[in-house]
Amino acid sequence: DTEVTQTPKHLVMGMTNKKSLKCEQHMGHRAMYWYKQKAKKPPELMFVYSYEKLSINESVPSRFSPECPNSSLLNLHLHALQPEDSALYLCASSHYRGPRNTEAFFGQGTRLTVV
Amino acid sequence: DQQVKQNSPSLSVQEGRISILNCDYTNSMFDYFLWYKKYPAEGPTFLISISSIKDKNEDGRFTVFLNKSAKHLSLHIVPSQPGDSAVYFCAARGGATNKLIFGTGTLLAVQP
Repeated sequence: DTEVTQTPKHLVMGMTNKKSLKCEQHMGHRAMYWYKQKAKKPPELMFVYSYEKLSINESVPSRFSPECPNSSLLNLHLHALQPEDSALYLCASSHYRGPRNTEAFFGQGTRLTVV
Repeated sequence: DQQVKQNSPSLSVQEGRISILNCDYTNSMFDYFLWYKKYPAEGPTFLISISSIKDKNEDGRFTVFLNKSAKHLSLHIVPSQPGDSAVYFCAARGGATNKLIFGTGTLLAVQP
């Protein structure tokens, strides 16, 4: 099973709403990631969790709040977003970097629209 | 500062011919490189990777070449098929972190 599952697939939210994006993997990966992708741009790293601890925050605004409840789950809590935050949000997972190099597997993404 | 660049935003190739996608990087700490294929509104799909201790890796129709001295890698697809039409991203990882940095992408169109 090389699947990363993201829910929901599509989300429309108002600027005052609170919502959460969810990501799940059962590959035993101990590194999980959130990326943001705008149209015609490459995926842009937001957060990295390593062994359920936040290891990288790429200076993401606090209206995005990640959470890793356990080794299989990754959430992204959203609050008071702006229309420019509308994008495709991608979750990925990989083995933790060590002596073994390994690829990251991506979910299908959540298409977020902020109105 | 774009550490991973793909200088060709698009490439058009005839079916059956070779597609060559190029990628340049600036950070000498990168030691593992990957190619992903992406359709609109979907997540990237892993294609092939290469470690910096190698200069070539082959998997079926896909071959990745790495030139460390030039900080350049390329993906060869042969023969190209219409189903290969997508955006291709190279990505790089290095140092002590799990950061995966993506290039700017190349849109490949394979004409029947």
